Amino acid sequence: GQNIDQPTEMTATEGAIVQINCTYQTSGFNGLFWYQQHAGEAPTFLSYNVLDGLEEKGRFSSFLSRSKGYSYLLLKELQMKDSASYLCAVKDSNYQLIWGAGTKLIIKP
Amino acid sequence: DTAVSQTPKYLVTQMGNDKSIKCEQNLGHDTMYWYKQDSKKFLKIMFSYNNKELIINETVPNRFSPKSPDKAHLNLHINSLELGDSAVYFCASSQDAGGHVETQYFGPGTRLLVL
Repeated sequence: GQNIDQPTEMTATEGAIVQINCTYQTSGFNGLFWYQQHAGEAPTFLSYNVLDGLEEKGRFSSFLSRSKGYSYLLLKELQMKDSASYLCAVKDSNYQLIWGAGTKLIIKP
Repeated sequence: DTAVSQTPKYLVTQMGNDKSIKCEQNLGHDTMYWYKQDSKKFLKIMFSYNNKELIINETVPNRFSPKSPDKAHLNLHINSLELGDSAVYFCASSQDAGGHVETQYFGPGTRLLVL
């Protein structure tokens, strides 16, 4: 079967750094997405990785290791508005998007 | 301008009723989707349409039927609503780039409550 694993919930302090991990087991791999979803709102696209390595975009970075079936989303200089759920999703060999259950990130002052 | 829009935003109805949710995208995308997000916040793909053809149909009850009058619209019709249908339904769209499905853009969601 296909599986995406993420921690259910994480807590971090404003101004700090947090890393949200995602491991996947899918039939094939054609890219990995990270989405942000604030409570009561729609998911919004954050990043896309298809090759190994780190993709940096402002305060957010995403890393991928295809051999390990592993990705992480790194959030720096945390702000209160970063409190949200972070969804990891993988495109499988049929280019279908397989979604994780999301990690709820709580930021404390 | 709203890229992906859904109506209604909230829908409260009785068990057994039939209801429709509408979705429109003005991004010129080729593929549209319907997702269900339950109380545990897990996103489950229900359907997707590419150029008016159904290309994914997950094992959802046949009470749910997608209808696409054109490339910019994908409506969801639900017959004989049940309590377990209560959830948030998201519409999304993406550009089909040479058969590769690209980044998906989501609508604001429709919060369905069945009483």
